[in-house]
Amino acid sequence: GDSVTQMEGPVTLSEEAFLTINCTYTATGYPSLFWYVQYPGEGLQLLLKATKADDKGSNKGFEATYRKETTSFHLEKGSVQVSDSAVYFCALTGDPGNQFYFGTGTSLTVIP
Amino acid sequence: DAGITQSPRHKVTETGTPVTLRCHQTENHRYMYWYRQDPGHGLRLIHYSYGVKDTDKGEVSDGYSVSRSKTEDFLLTLESATSSQTSVYFCAISEGGPRADTQYFGPGTRLTVL
Repeated sequence: GDSVTQMEGPVTLSEEAFLTINCTYTATGYPSLFWYVQYPGEGLQLLLKATKADDKGSNKGFEATYRKETTSFHLEKGSVQVSDSAVYFCALTGDPGNQFYFGTGTSLTVIP
Repeated sequence: DAGITQSPRHKVTETGTPVTLRCHQTENHRYMYWYRQDPGHGLRLIHYSYGVKDTDKGEVSDGYSVSRSKTEDFLLTLESATSSQTSVYFCAISEGGPRADTQYFGPGTRLTVL
């Protein structure tokens, strides 16, 4: 079945460091891919998405490119800030019923 | 922010008691979902609805039932709560349509079953 695998955390970075969180997927057909972010005590918020191969999603300095050949959707940011500390979830849509399949989440802590 | 509220936000209950969680939306979206979030598992789909009175099971539906009598409300019921159902429960909504649609999440309900 459809699934998402993302790198395990926790990840700790210094402010202004480069961030990569790896995400690979298994899916039948052509899923859409998403990154969600969850701040402490809150629900998930959409960070970015891509709906077809080679699409790049971007938001708030974060980027991810839909790579069909490597079945990947890695999240990157060139210079992280303390305010980026959160849990990041990779997800894909699948059938039936527009179901989402989430990765287990990667906790990021950015220290000043 | 999408207009999604969940109630209650926190609940402590005892094993064997029934529990109902409510999700309310003001967006008139067709699809509604219930997930549970547990460490090491991410979010897992419990049930979802694709219209009034139209529901289906997700990955971890055992021990849960749902009802949707109005577009705006989606109820999740634990008929007889067990300690394994201690979790954070999230409701989500989407406009519908295949694959490309974004889901918007509520603030969550933290349920503890003693």
